[in-house]
Amino acid sequence: GNSVTQMEGPVTLSEEAFLTINCTYTATGYPSLFWYVQYPGEGLQLLLKATKADDKGSNKGFEATYRKETTSFHLEKGSVQVSDSAVYFCALPGYGGYNKLIFGAGTRLAVHP
Amino acid sequence: GAGVSQSPRYKVAKRGQDVALRCDPISGHVSLFWYQQALGQGPEFLTYFQNEAQLDKSGLPSDRFFAERPEGSVSTLKIQRTQQEDSAVYLCASSYNEGPKFFGPGTRLTVL
Repeated sequence: GNSVTQMEGPVTLSEEAFLTINCTYTATGYPSLFWYVQYPGEGLQLLLKATKADDKGSNKGFEATYRKETTSFHLEKGSVQVSDSAVYFCALPGYGGYNKLIFGAGTRLAVHP
Repeated sequence: GAGVSQSPRYKVAKRGQDVALRCDPISGHVSLFWYQQALGQGPEFLTYFQNEAQLDKSGLPSDRFFAERPEGSVSTLKIQRTQQEDSAVYLCASSYNEGPKFFGPGTRLTVL
């Protein structure tokens, strides 16, 4: 079945540093891919998505490109801020589609001033 | 309220007790989802409603788990005869008519 693997955290960066959080997937076909973010004390929320190969999802300065050659969907941001400190989850649909997402274990990002 | 709300936020139960966890979705959202998140893991799908209809309950781990949404709005996840392995954060999510877009803060269940 479909699965997703993301890099372990925590990731600790200084403000304005470049961020990459790796995510690779195993899937039948070419499903949509998602990044969710969970800020401290809040629920998960959809950050961005890409629905087909070579698509780039973007939101709040974050980007991720759907790369079928490497089965990857790495999350990047050029200049992180303290307010980006959160847990980031990569996800893809399981059997049953978008209603039944499979999440990675999450990567905690801590940004220091 | 602006977002998905869940209550209680924390619940401690003795092994064998029944618990009920409540989810108030965003007003007007048709789709409602329950996920279970173990410590240090990503959320895992439990069940999904569209309005009052439970369309998929394949993720419920045993027949001790039961979810309902009788009027197509508020949902309750009930766990009977709780076991220690039920300890987790239970997340509710809602959306207008797509996958889980907005999650609540979760209910942290601890079974002693």
